[in-house]
Amino acid sequence: EIVLTQSPATLSLSPGERATLSCRASQGVSSSVAWYQQKPGQPPRLLIYDASNRATGIPARFSGSGSGTDFTLTISSLEPEDFAVYYCQHRSNWPLLTFGPGTKVDIK
Amino acid sequence: QVQLVQSGAEVKKPGASVKVSCKVPEYTLTYLSMHWVRQAPGKGLEWMGGFDPQEGKTIHAQKFQGRVTMTEDTSTDTAYMELTSLKSEDTAMYYCAALTYGSWFDPWGQGILVTVSS
Repeated sequence: EIVLTQSPATLSLSPGERATLSCRASQGVSSSVAWYQQKPGQPPRLLIYDASNRATGIPARFSGSGSGTDFTLTISSLEPEDFAVYYCQHRSNWPLLTFGPGTKVDIK
Repeated sequence: QVQLVQSGAEVKKPGASVKVSCKVPEYTLTYLSMHWVRQAPGKGLEWMGGFDPQEGKTIHAQKFQGRVTMTEDTSTDTAYMELTSLKSEDTAMYYCAALTYGSWFDPWGQGILVTVSS
């Protein structure tokens, strides 16, 4: 089973700063990674799929990169609405799907 | 824009069953591959299972084998997830989510909170 780890667990930043979130797979997963954002009391929202493609309606300040075992979600300049929990997910064991434990981005 | 509608909450006793719903208004459920993801309070996301369009059948995570049934009523465009033999550890928000871009989840329903308590 491929396990995803995310770091850091919590990222404390100020609005306007750049956020860099990491997702590491225990084995290579090609580019089969997605990123989701979840705000309190809301369901997750798809941000990035296939490692680097923005989903419909996602602002350009969100970008994804990586392949193999190391993936990064970058928020170029944090807006107040970006403070949330971010999860990565892989599909390399399709049809079995796994999420990472999440990174919380909170206000410094 | 496809919407997945979930509402309400359930309180069940240990050993009971729960059946949660996910309606797709103004769309045809058969065009979607519906999956279910749960989230225990303060915890992360856990995929439970859903429809595999490649195999044309429903698949489940191993940990739920024998306890979960996922069905669809195409006459009302509503998907259901039934979980039996409930335990306190099954207390969670249960989300439906549709596959998109091949195998990613978008959109999601708002979730149904299931509380298992004696």
